[in-house]
Amino acid sequence: DTAVSQTPKYLVTQMGNDKSIKCEQNLGHDTMYWYKQDSKKFLKIMFSYNNKELIINETVPNRFSPKSPDKAHLNLHINSLELGDSAVYFCASSQDLGSGQYFGPGTRLTVT
Amino acid sequence: AQSVTQPDIHITVSEGASLELRCNYSYGATPYLFWYVQSPGQGLQLLLKYFSGDTLVQGIKGFEAEFKRSQSSFNLRKPSVHWSDAAEYFCAVGLHGSSNTGKLIFGQGTTLQVKP
Repeated sequence: DTAVSQTPKYLVTQMGNDKSIKCEQNLGHDTMYWYKQDSKKFLKIMFSYNNKELIINETVPNRFSPKSPDKAHLNLHINSLELGDSAVYFCASSQDLGSGQYFGPGTRLTVT
Repeated sequence: AQSVTQPDIHITVSEGASLELRCNYSYGATPYLFWYVQSPGQGLQLLLKYFSGDTLVQGIKGFEAEFKRSQSSFNLRKPSVHWSDAAEYFCAVGLHGSSNTGKLIFGQGTTLQVKP
């Protein structure tokens, strides 16, 4: 069974559209994250939720809105997509800091 | 500010040779340190982690890393590299504290190429 899954794996869309990426974890972890990996493979955290509560919100445009319906799911909705949003988005989960984070396979978003 | 530096952007080693990937960090508190591997088109897989105890930690796939507080380093090593080890390697510092708990700061990554 996949521990952290994301859908879709690939997403190609035009500027100005709104899109969502879904993430689910079956590890029973309390905390989930969204990371963005740019074209130079640099990884940066965007958001973190603990038991459905937002705990980390980095300097991310408010076009990005995470939603956690329950502690096993953390979705990312992006409004008015821009060219610069093209990247790979990774979802991750963890039980606590010391145990490390477990990453999903990523969603490659291409905005044309 | 917290930061992680991986000085080597790209490393090429021959299969069977030993490997060391460097990682230096800047963090005011006791660090939680991690190494992740990313194969092409894949997510990140946790190789090993350190936050206390023995400064030499063993991970999966035959990797180990040594924490050296005096040098602010956490270098990754493997005695004999296999062709399947070709991938991107990321070092990360885990932040703790009420507003940062769980946040990982990643290095720029090191691309490992393995020659036959």
